[in-house]
Amino acid sequence: GESVGLHLPTLSVQEGDNSIINCAYSNSASDYFIWYKQESGKGPQFIIDIRSNMDKRQGQRVTVLLNKTVKHLSLQIAATQPGDSAVYFCAEILAGGTSYGKLTFGQGTILTVHP
Amino acid sequence: SAVISQKPSRDICQRGTSLTIQCQVDSQVTMMFWYRQQPGQSLTLIATANQGSEATYESGFVIDKFPISRPNLTFSTLTVSNMSPEDSSIYLCSAMRGGVDEKLFFGSGTQLSVL
Repeated sequence: GESVGLHLPTLSVQEGDNSIINCAYSNSASDYFIWYKQESGKGPQFIIDIRSNMDKRQGQRVTVLLNKTVKHLSLQIAATQPGDSAVYFCAEILAGGTSYGKLTFGQGTILTVHP
Repeated sequence: SAVISQKPSRDICQRGTSLTIQCQVDSQVTMMFWYRQQPGQSLTLIATANQGSEATYESGFVIDKFPISRPNLTFSTLTVSNMSPEDSSIYLCSAMRGGVDEKLFFGSGTQLSVL
Protein backbone atom coordinates (compact mmCIF):
# COMPACT_ATOMS: atom_id res chain seq x y z
CA GLY A 1 0.00 0.00 0.00
CA GLU A 2 0.96 3.63 -0.10
CA SER A 3 3.17 4.83 2.71
CA VAL A 4 5.08 7.76 4.06
CA GLY A 5 8.47 7.05 5.63
CA LEU A 6 11.39 8.83 7.24
CA HIS A 7 15.11 8.41 6.55
CA LEU A 8 16.35 9.06 10.09
CA PRO A 9 14.57 7.82 13.19
CA THR A 10 16.68 9.95 15.59
CA LEU A 11 18.41 13.29 15.34
CA SER A 12 20.56 14.97 18.00
CA VAL A 13 21.63 18.59 17.65
CA GLN A 14 23.17 21.32 19.75
CA GLU A 15 21.10 24.27 20.81
CA GLY A 16 21.35 27.00 18.21
CA ASP A 17 22.07 24.66 15.32
CA ASN A 18 19.71 24.20 12.41
CA SER A 19 17.85 20.89 12.20
CA ILE A 20 16.68 19.10 9.10
CA ILE A 21 14.18 16.26 9.31
CA ASN A 22 13.49 14.28 6.17
CA CYS A 23 10.53 12.31 4.90
CA ALA A 24 9.91 10.23 1.79
CA TYR A 25 6.45 9.57 0.44
CA SER A 26 5.35 7.08 -2.16
CA ASN A 27 1.94 8.29 -3.33
CA SER A 28 2.30 10.73 -6.20
CA ALA A 29 -1.40 11.55 -5.87
CA SER A 30 -0.91 13.10 -2.44
CA ASP A 31 -2.17 16.64 -2.43
CA TYR A 32 -1.30 18.01 0.95
CA PHE A 33 1.49 17.44 3.44
CA ILE A 34 1.73 18.34 7.10
CA TRP A 35 4.43 18.28 9.73
CA TYR A 36 3.41 17.57 13.30
CA LYS A 37 5.33 17.82 16.56
CA GLN A 38 4.46 15.46 19.39
CA GLU A 39 5.76 16.02 22.88
CA SER A 40 5.63 13.33 25.50
CA GLY A 41 2.11 12.75 26.79
CA LYS A 42 0.51 15.04 24.24
CA GLY A 43 -1.24 14.73 20.93
CA PRO A 44 0.41 15.82 17.68
CA GLN A 45 0.64 19.57 17.26
CA PHE A 46 0.38 21.14 13.82
CA ILE A 47 3.61 22.86 12.76
CA ILE A 48 3.36 23.69 9.09
CA ASP A 49 1.75 22.40 5.92
CA ILE A 50 2.35 22.58 2.22
CA ARG A 51 0.26 21.82 -0.81
CA SER A 52 1.48 19.87 -3.80
CA ASN A 53 1.46 22.97 -6.02
CA MET A 54 4.18 24.55 -3.87
CA ASP A 55 7.82 23.62 -3.28
CA LYS A 56 8.59 25.75 -0.24
CA ARG A 57 6.75 27.30 2.63
CA GLN A 58 8.11 29.22 5.58
CA GLY A 59 6.80 29.74 9.05
CA GLN A 60 8.28 31.03 12.24
CA ARG A 61 11.73 29.35 12.45
CA VAL A 62 10.47 26.48 10.30
CA THR A 63 10.59 25.84 6.59
CA VAL A 64 9.06 22.93 4.71
CA LEU A 65 10.48 21.90 1.35
CA LEU A 66 8.67 19.65 -1.08
CA ASN A 67 10.41 17.91 -3.97
CA LYS A 68 7.76 16.16 -5.99
CA THR A 69 10.27 14.80 -8.49
CA VAL A 70 11.84 12.52 -5.89
CA LYS A 71 8.82 12.47 -3.56
CA HIS A 72 10.71 14.01 -0.68
CA LEU A 73 9.62 16.33 2.10
CA SER A 74 11.80 18.05 4.66
CA LEU A 75 11.33 20.18 7.74
CA GLN A 76 14.02 22.70 8.59
CA ILE A 77 14.11 24.21 12.05
CA ALA A 78 16.32 27.25 12.46
CA ALA A 79 18.20 27.99 15.68
CA THR A 80 16.93 24.82 17.35
CA GLN A 81 15.99 25.20 21.01
CA PRO A 82 15.64 22.64 23.81
CA GLY A 83 11.87 23.15 23.60
CA ASP A 84 11.98 21.76 20.08
CA SER A 85 12.88 18.33 21.45
CA ALA A 86 10.01 16.04 20.45
CA VAL A 87 8.97 13.45 17.91
CA TYR A 88 8.27 14.91 14.48
CA PHE A 89 5.90 13.25 12.05
CA CYS A 90 5.24 13.98 8.43
CA ALA A 91 1.82 13.12 7.11
CA GLU A 92 0.12 13.16 3.75
CA ILE A 93 -3.45 13.57 2.68
CA LEU A 94 -5.09 12.43 -0.50
CA ALA A 95 -7.55 15.19 -1.26
CA GLY A 96 -11.04 14.48 -2.42
CA GLY A 97 -13.23 11.44 -2.59
CA THR A 98 -13.24 8.95 0.23
CA SER A 99 -9.69 9.91 1.29
CA TYR A 100 -10.61 13.47 2.18
CA GLY A 101 -8.98 14.52 5.41
CA LYS A 102 -7.47 11.12 6.22
CA LEU A 103 -3.83 11.30 7.18
CA THR A 104 -1.14 8.73 6.45
CA PHE A 105 1.68 9.25 8.93
CA GLY A 106 5.37 8.57 8.60
CA GLN A 107 7.23 6.63 11.26
CA GLY A 108 8.49 9.68 13.17
CA THR A 109 11.87 11.21 13.99
CA ILE A 110 12.99 11.82 17.54
CA LEU A 111 14.70 15.19 17.78
CA THR A 112 16.87 15.80 20.82
CA VAL A 113 18.34 19.24 21.39
CA HIS A 114 21.29 19.45 23.75
CA PRO A 115 21.91 22.72 25.64
CA SER B 1 -7.56 26.33 15.60
CA ALA B 2 -10.02 23.98 17.29
CA VAL B 3 -9.61 22.88 20.88
CA ILE B 4 -10.21 19.17 21.31
CA SER B 5 -10.76 17.65 24.75
CA GLN B 6 -10.56 13.94 25.42
CA LYS B 7 -11.69 12.03 28.46
CA PRO B 8 -10.27 10.08 30.17
CA SER B 9 -6.67 11.15 29.65
CA ARG B 10 -5.50 7.76 30.82
CA ASP B 11 -6.90 4.55 32.21
CA ILE B 12 -5.80 1.12 33.32
CA CYS B 13 -8.31 -1.58 32.47
CA GLN B 14 -8.76 -5.27 32.97
CA ARG B 15 -8.75 -7.75 30.14
CA GLY B 16 -12.21 -8.42 28.74
CA THR B 17 -13.73 -5.09 29.78
CA SER B 18 -14.66 -2.13 27.57
CA LEU B 19 -13.74 1.56 27.75
CA THR B 20 -15.50 4.48 26.11
CA ILE B 21 -13.41 7.52 25.23
CA GLN B 22 -15.10 10.86 24.74
CA CYS B 23 -14.01 13.62 22.38
CA GLN B 24 -15.41 17.13 22.59
CA VAL B 25 -14.54 19.92 20.14
CA ASP B 26 -15.06 23.55 21.09
CA SER B 27 -16.66 24.40 17.75
CA GLN B 28 -18.52 22.66 14.96
CA VAL B 29 -16.32 20.63 12.66
CA THR B 30 -17.05 18.85 9.43
CA MET B 31 -14.98 15.77 10.06
CA MET B 32 -13.80 13.79 13.06
CA PHE B 33 -11.39 10.89 13.11
CA TRP B 34 -10.00 8.38 15.59
CA TYR B 35 -6.36 7.31 15.51
CA ARG B 36 -4.36 4.75 17.44
CA GLN B 37 -0.72 5.15 18.40
CA GLN B 38 0.87 1.97 19.67
CA PRO B 39 3.86 2.29 22.01
CA GLY B 40 6.85 3.86 20.25
CA GLN B 41 5.08 3.93 16.91
CA SER B 42 3.38 6.30 14.54
CA LEU B 43 -0.33 7.01 14.26
CA THR B 44 -2.75 4.75 12.42
CA LEU B 45 -6.24 5.80 11.39
CA ILE B 46 -8.97 3.67 12.93
CA ALA B 47 -12.05 5.25 11.42
CA THR B 48 -13.85 8.36 10.30
CA ALA B 49 -16.67 9.31 12.64
CA ASN B 50 -19.67 10.29 10.54
CA GLN B 51 -22.32 12.50 12.03
CA GLY B 52 -25.64 10.72 12.26
CA SER B 53 -24.49 7.55 10.51
CA GLU B 54 -22.17 4.59 10.92
CA ALA B 55 -18.45 5.26 11.07
CA THR B 56 -16.19 4.36 8.16
CA TYR B 57 -13.51 1.93 9.29
CA GLU B 58 -10.04 1.43 7.88
CA SER B 59 -8.66 -1.95 6.97
CA GLY B 60 -7.96 -3.98 10.08
CA PHE B 61 -10.50 -2.23 12.28
CA VAL B 62 -14.10 -3.36 12.76
CA ILE B 63 -17.19 -1.90 14.34
CA ASP B 64 -17.67 -4.72 16.84
CA LYS B 65 -14.27 -4.02 18.35
CA PHE B 66 -14.26 -0.21 18.04
CA PRO B 67 -17.84 1.09 18.00
CA ILE B 68 -17.96 4.83 17.33
CA SER B 69 -20.70 7.36 17.79
CA ARG B 70 -21.01 10.91 16.55
CA PRO B 71 -24.37 12.36 17.51
CA ASN B 72 -23.58 15.96 16.50
CA LEU B 73 -20.92 18.19 14.95
CA THR B 74 -18.86 18.64 18.12
CA PHE B 75 -18.84 15.29 19.91
CA SER B 76 -17.76 11.71 19.30
CA THR B 77 -17.04 8.58 21.31
CA LEU B 78 -14.81 5.58 20.65
CA THR B 79 -15.33 2.36 22.60
CA VAL B 80 -12.57 -0.21 22.84
CA SER B 81 -14.47 -3.46 23.43
CA ASN B 82 -13.44 -6.72 25.03
CA MET B 83 -9.96 -5.37 25.65
CA SER B 84 -6.76 -7.37 25.57
CA PRO B 85 -3.19 -6.25 26.37
CA GLU B 86 -2.63 -5.74 22.62
CA ASP B 87 -5.08 -2.83 22.81
CA SER B 88 -2.72 -0.89 25.06
CA SER B 89 -2.11 2.28 23.06
CA ILE B 90 -2.76 5.96 22.89
CA TYR B 91 -6.10 6.71 21.25
CA LEU B 92 -6.37 10.12 19.63
CA CYS B 93 -9.34 12.08 18.42
CA SER B 94 -8.85 14.54 15.59
CA ALA B 95 -11.06 17.04 13.82
CA MET B 96 -11.12 19.15 10.72
CA ARG B 97 -13.30 22.12 9.88
CA GLY B 98 -13.00 21.68 6.14
CA GLY B 99 -12.83 24.36 3.52
CA VAL B 100 -9.95 25.76 1.50
CA ASP B 101 -7.52 26.05 4.39
CA GLU B 102 -8.48 22.96 6.34
CA LYS B 103 -6.16 21.70 9.04
CA LEU B 104 -6.42 18.58 11.14
CA PHE B 105 -6.13 19.10 14.88
CA PHE B 106 -5.64 16.50 17.58
CA GLY B 107 -6.71 16.02 21.13
CA SER B 108 -4.12 15.15 23.75
CA GLY B 109 -5.03 11.49 23.58
CA THR B 110 -6.12 8.74 25.94
CA GLN B 111 -3.36 6.51 27.26
CA LEU B 112 -4.87 3.06 27.68
CA SER B 113 -3.15 0.22 29.48
CA VAL B 114 -4.79 -3.20 29.55
CA LEU B 115 -3.68 -5.71 32.17
